[in-house]
Amino acid sequence: SQQGEEDPQALSIQEGENATMNCSYKTSINNLQWYRQNSGRGLVHLILIRSNEREKHSGRLRVTLDTSKKSSSLLITASRAADTASYFCATVINTGFQKLVFGTGTRLLVSP
Amino acid sequence: KAGVTQTPRYLIKTRGQQVTLSCSPISGHRSVSWYQQTPGQGLQFLFEYFSETQRNKGNFPGRFSGRQFSNSRSEMNVSTLELGDSALYLCASSSAGGVQPNTGELFFGEGSRLTVL
Repeated sequence: SQQGEEDPQALSIQEGENATMNCSYKTSINNLQWYRQNSGRGLVHLILIRSNEREKHSGRLRVTLDTSKKSSSLLITASRAADTASYFCATVINTGFQKLVFGTGTRLLVSP
Repeated sequence: KAGVTQTPRYLIKTRGQQVTLSCSPISGHRSVSWYQQTPGQGLQFLFEYFSETQRNKGNFPGRFSGRQFSNSRSEMNVSTLELGDSALYLCASSSAGGVQPNTGELFFGEGSRLTVL
């Protein structure tokens, strides 16, 4: 079953606008990661935030984590058409070994 | 450094057949994971291998199996194919070894798209 639920399922914006995606998860985590997937391709790792971190930045990406609410958000600033993709949150469940459980994903469309 | 390579990229099979998919991880990565992606179920974890040992397994029937070789290359096999096995199968490698819960970053291949007719 999915660990994470993402909201919204789909998001359509214009170039230059900001895009915010939210992820909620169910169980305690070691870290939370965000991945991007272009249509029918493999996933690309964007950013990792540890459970003891609250906010992290990478270029135009800003990720927040609220472990009390079991939620995270990904903000993409000044969106570009090339940002059009599906975005997934993924959590590492503490089984002692590496098992990433992915959310349902947000499809982002950035129009020129 | 070459990325994760999956072969074949596309294949079509008929119900009842079996299929073997191959994955070559990034050089030096010893952990290989497999995921199934479908429109209905999303990304589902299949299994993870480290140093030729299956460390973790998802909730898939025994028709789904895998193995890892001494050079870290991995294969997965699906026997007695069903229509519902049509999916994008993704392989990912990681430099994490043993118990490293703070690492986590996976490097994915482009996937093998399986269509079962």
